[in-house]
Amino acid sequence: DSGVTQTPKHLITATGQRVTLRCSPRSGDLSVYWYQQSLDQGLQFLIQYYNGEERAKGNILERFSAQQFPDLHSELNLSSLELGDSALYFCASQEGSTDTQYFGPGTRLTVL
Amino acid sequence: AQSVTQPDIHITVSEGASLELRCNYSYGATPYLFWYVQSPGQGLQLLLKYFSGDTLVQGIKGFEAEFKRSQSSFNLRKPSVHWSDAAEYFCAVVITSGTYKYIFGTGTRLKVLA
Repeated sequence: DSGVTQTPKHLITATGQRVTLRCSPRSGDLSVYWYQQSLDQGLQFLIQYYNGEERAKGNILERFSAQQFPDLHSELNLSSLELGDSALYFCASQEGSTDTQYFGPGTRLTVL
Repeated sequence: AQSVTQPDIHITVSEGASLELRCNYSYGATPYLFWYVQSPGQGLQLLLKYFSGDTLVQGIKGFEAEFKRSQSSFNLRKPSVHWSDAAEYFCAVVITSGTYKYIFGTGTRLKVLA
């Protein structure tokens, strides 16, 4: 158990819909990363937050957005969903002193 | 631009055989270097990391990796593979000068034959 929690574990929805994925980092970790993993694209970095502020952006679509709240949990919002958005979405929290990332179990999103 | 390359997408070895997974990076200085493992349906887990000092680092599950500055490589090794090592392995580098970046390689999927 990494100490990072993600909900829900599975999500099935239809094209055009909007979903929210939630991540709670390890206690004490200020930094949260979001990744998308699919068979054809591999592990893609989406976005990073540090103590509530956006720190870095990767290959995140404009239809996607994220935020980190004062209690440090983070949410990834995916809207106008397309079939190609079906993937595993991971969040990871990073330990500041060691740069080690601790990954959550992921949310498997299926868009029908 | 900084990048991480894992040249082998798939590797198959027999149980008990030795293993070496390759990782090369492109960066002007020495980054922080990591290897992570992902079992099916799971998140990534840290195997080992290198920041500085001894270029041979030991990790969990009997893995080790060697940093070679001259080759810009950080290859992962295990002397005797177990069936439970079947997983996907990711190399990652952290660039700490200038804009902080955490870059993962594309992964190498390991299959172990009984």
